[in-house]
Amino acid sequence: DAGVIQSPRHEVTEMGQEVTLRCKPISGHDYLFWYRQTMMRGLELLIYFNNNVPIDDSGMPEDRFSAKMPNASFSTLKIQPSEPRDSAVYFCASRTSGGETQYFGPGTRLLVL
Amino acid sequence: AQSVAQPEDQVNVAEGNPLTVKCTYSVSGNPYLFWYVQYPNRGLQFLLKYITGDNLVKGSYGFEAEFNKSQTSFHLKKPSALVSDSALYFCAVRGYGQNFVFGPGTRLSVLP
Repeated sequence: DAGVIQSPRHEVTEMGQEVTLRCKPISGHDYLFWYRQTMMRGLELLIYFNNNVPIDDSGMPEDRFSAKMPNASFSTLKIQPSEPRDSAVYFCASRTSGGETQYFGPGTRLLVL
Repeated sequence: AQSVAQPEDQVNVAEGNPLTVKCTYSVSGNPYLFWYVQYPNRGLQFLLKYITGDNLVKGSYGFEAEFNKSQTSFHLKKPSALVSDSALYFCAVRGYGQNFVFGPGTRLSVLP
């Protein structure tokens, strides 16, 4: 199995631009999680999906952030408009409904100038 | 509410010496406990977990962790540290039906 796949691995953009991060979970996993990692705040859960349905988005920082999961093998996290304080590493993770362990992707390092 | 504490931001140990990275937790009900490792510019890699059973669990790369219910701790250990073990280590807890809560991380430096 290829594991959780994220793209792009690195993104540099200017303030005000739209940013779209992509994630492909492990096949057969029906839970998908989006996290953000910063030095100041550590790992934060932004949102998670079960069977493509958003379950809890209370961690999404503000309306500029949105996430979708149109099918079982693809999810996006969009920031519009982006701001410098959004600079962070964004991780996607997935697990099965009966499994206890989350498996993480390699992350997308976002820099907003 | 669930919470995880990793009391040490940084742990330094000489190569070949035993290492311990500490973790304490708070959760209602029986905990599911995890350790993950993060190498520079990489995602989090699963090391080991405690769900039930033997309090001493063994994981990848020679790591092990001991679940202590009375002390609500789940310390990560390795008998002999390697320089390549230098990384950021995260403890996480999950109550039944709940999501993961991660600790702040402990940076382990193994000195040659």
